[in-house]
Amino acid sequence: EAGVTQFPSHSVIEKGQTVTLRCDPISGHDNLYWYRRVMGKEIKFLLHFVKESKQDESGMPNNRFLAERTGGTYSTLKVQPAELEDSGVYFCASSHATGFKDEQYFGPGTRLTVT
Amino acid sequence: AQSVTQLGSHVSVSEGALVLLRCNYSSSVPPYLFWYVQYPNQGLQLLLKYTSAATLVKGINGFEAEFKKSETSFHLTKPSAHMSDAAEYFCAVTPSRPNTGFQKLVFGTGTRLLVSP
Repeated sequence: EAGVTQFPSHSVIEKGQTVTLRCDPISGHDNLYWYRRVMGKEIKFLLHFVKESKQDESGMPNNRFLAERTGGTYSTLKVQPAELEDSGVYFCASSHATGFKDEQYFGPGTRLTVT
Repeated sequence: AQSVTQLGSHVSVSEGALVLLRCNYSSSVPPYLFWYVQYPNQGLQLLLKYTSAATLVKGINGFEAEFKKSETSFHLTKPSAHMSDAAEYFCAVTPSRPNTGFQKLVFGTGTRLLVSP
């Protein structure tokens, strides 16, 4: 069974540009999460999808971030326009169902550098 | 609200020595606690979790952690370090009765374990 995949693995863009990160969850997982780790700090929750619906987007930093999950399969996270403070590693995770017994499986992350 | 403190951004041990990674949490409700590990170029992998059953939790690769409510701690230990244990370790907490009904994880800042021959 394939794990959670993320694309690209690395992205370097200039301030003001747009970047789109993609996450493919494990097949059959309805729940998809985005997290972000700014260098040296903790991994922070961004948002949660159940199928194609946003269940909780309380962690999204501001309206420059837009997450979508059309069709309830893969998800994209767009940053437009990117700022220096957006640099960090963006993790995606998926789980079969909600609740503490349902482990979140994480992808390898996308390292975003904004210069 | 929940929070996690991991003391020491880096911990160095010799191969065969005891591994001790510290995690203290703050939670207004009984917590569920987790340890994740990230090997280079890989995603986070669940090592073990505490979900209000036994306070001593055994995980994969010989790791274990003990939930101590009085100390609000969930330290990760392994009796004998292997070179392959070199990685970054994250402690995380989630409320045991989440209002939204899902497992929103709150992470610590991570501890990088270095193992020398």
